[in-house]
Amino acid sequence: DIQMTQSPSSLSASVGDRVTITCRASQAITIYLAWYQQKPGKVPKLLIYDASTLQSGVPSRFSGSGYWTDFTLTISSLQPEDVATYYCQKYNSAPFTFGPGTKVDIK
Amino acid sequence: QVQLVQSGAEVKEPGASVKVSCKASGYTFSSYDVNWVRQAAGQGLEWMGWMNPNSGNTGYSQKFQGRVTMTRNISITTAYMELRSLRSEDTAVYFCARPGVYGNYMDVWGTGTTVTVSS
Repeated sequence: DIQMTQSPSSLSASVGDRVTITCRASQAITIYLAWYQQKPGKVPKLLIYDASTLQSGVPSRFSGSGYWTDFTLTISSLQPEDVATYYCQKYNSAPFTFGPGTKVDIK
Repeated sequence: QVQLVQSGAEVKEPGASVKVSCKASGYTFSSYDVNWVRQAAGQGLEWMGWMNPNSGNTGYSQKFQGRVTMTRNISITTAYMELRSLRSEDTAVYFCARPGVYGNYMDVWGTGTTVTVSS
C-alpha cells in the first residue's frame, strides 16, 4: 500500500505569515490528493481536491500544488481561524490513506 | 442540503459488536459510495473502507478485513458499519463520508459517532 507522510508535524506561525505544509506519497498518485482542515472537536472539512482545486466556499488564501508524489498546501496569510490540524489524503485507488496530520497554531 | 446524520454514541464491552448507521439526505443515495473513517482521541484520521449503495460492493482496509461489514438499506437511504470483536483500541469517533462528484475525496462528512469500548 502507498504510505503518506506530512511535514512538519506541527508548526507555530504569526498572523499574516505564509504557511506551507508538505505531503509526500510513497508511490505516484498523479493529482489524486486532497487536503482537509479539522478544528478541535469538529468534523473534517474538505479544502482542496485534485491537488490544486479549491473546494467551493474555501477562502482563496488556501492553495494547493504538486503532482506525482510531492504536494504542498499553502496558506498565504495565516488567520486566527486557521488554527487546526491539516490532513492530506490520496484517492487514486483504495486504500484511501490519510497523512498523519500537521497541527497549525498561532505564535 | 446534502447531509449525513449518524446514530448516537455507543458503549460496548470488549468482544462485543457495534453497528453504526449513517442516514443520507439531499442527494441520490445510490449514486455515491459511502466511506467510513475513524479517529481515536488525539490521533489522526484512519480510512476503514467503502461501500457502493447501488451494488452493495465493498472494499475494506486490510487492517479491518474479517472484522468489519458495511451494508445499506436503500429504501431508507441509510448505510451501516458493523465492527466485531471490539477491543479497547477501537474506542474512537467513527465518521461516514461521501465522495465528491469528480473523485474519491471526501466531500461530505457525517456527524460522527463516538464508540467507547470498556469493561
